[in-house]
Amino acid sequence: EGQLVESGGGLVQPGGSLRLSCAASGFTFGSYWMMWFRQAPGKGLEWVANIKEDGSDKHYVDSVMGRFTISRDNAKNSLFLQMNSLRAEDTAVYYCARDSGATYSYDRRTYDYDALDIWGQGTMVTVSS
Amino acid sequence: AIQMTQSPSSLSASVGDRVTITCRASQGIRNDLGWYQLKPGKAPNLLIYTASSLQSGVPSRFSGSGSGTDFTLTISSLQPEDFATYYCLQDYNYPRTFGQGTKVEIK
Repeated sequence: EGQLVESGGGLVQPGGSLRLSCAASGFTFGSYWMMWFRQAPGKGLEWVANIKEDGSDKHYVDSVMGRFTISRDNAKNSLFLQMNSLRAEDTAVYYCARDSGATYSYDRRTYDYDALDIWGQGTMVTVSS
Repeated sequence: AIQMTQSPSSLSASVGDRVTITCRASQGIRNDLGWYQLKPGKAPNLLIYTASSLQSGVPSRFSGSGSGTDFTLTISSLQPEDFATYYCLQDYNYPRTFGQGTKVEIK
């Protein structure tokens, strides 16, 4: 079935750094795109970043560009999110998720789609002095 | 960024009710939309992908429809375990964006 377990959250001062980890088990980790999401207290879900199977392609939401770095170690079945220059607005529960998406046909052409079918339980990051 | 406008933001319903949640994209996104269920303290759960494909293991009372800019999630007969918050997510382009969420509460 597969499982994801996040770790590394905690309390950090503004301007500080934190590295989140996501340990995967029960599936071939290196065969999937992976993503990070977050949910600030009392707010909705927000996509943060994603990374291709081999790490060669990455995307970020504008608000974390240049401060956060997504990476992976397929040999260790692990996903990471290095977070630098943290701000109060980065306070949130951070989730990792597996993307089982493939392709579908629309108007006689083929397109990729996302299907985030396995999620971790989340790890809380609090940025406060 | 594509804006996803989800409505209503909350609703009260009884067990057995038919529930409909809508999501409107600020531009056409083909069928590049998923629906997710979130319960407090639990991992989010994929319900629907490509607007209308039911994820394996998800009860058939959940269904999705729509294409282009307007999408709907329907729960045909609400069950006690369905009280949760529901989000749409577009995967047409970057950044991926969610609707604001719909909290389904017990009437």
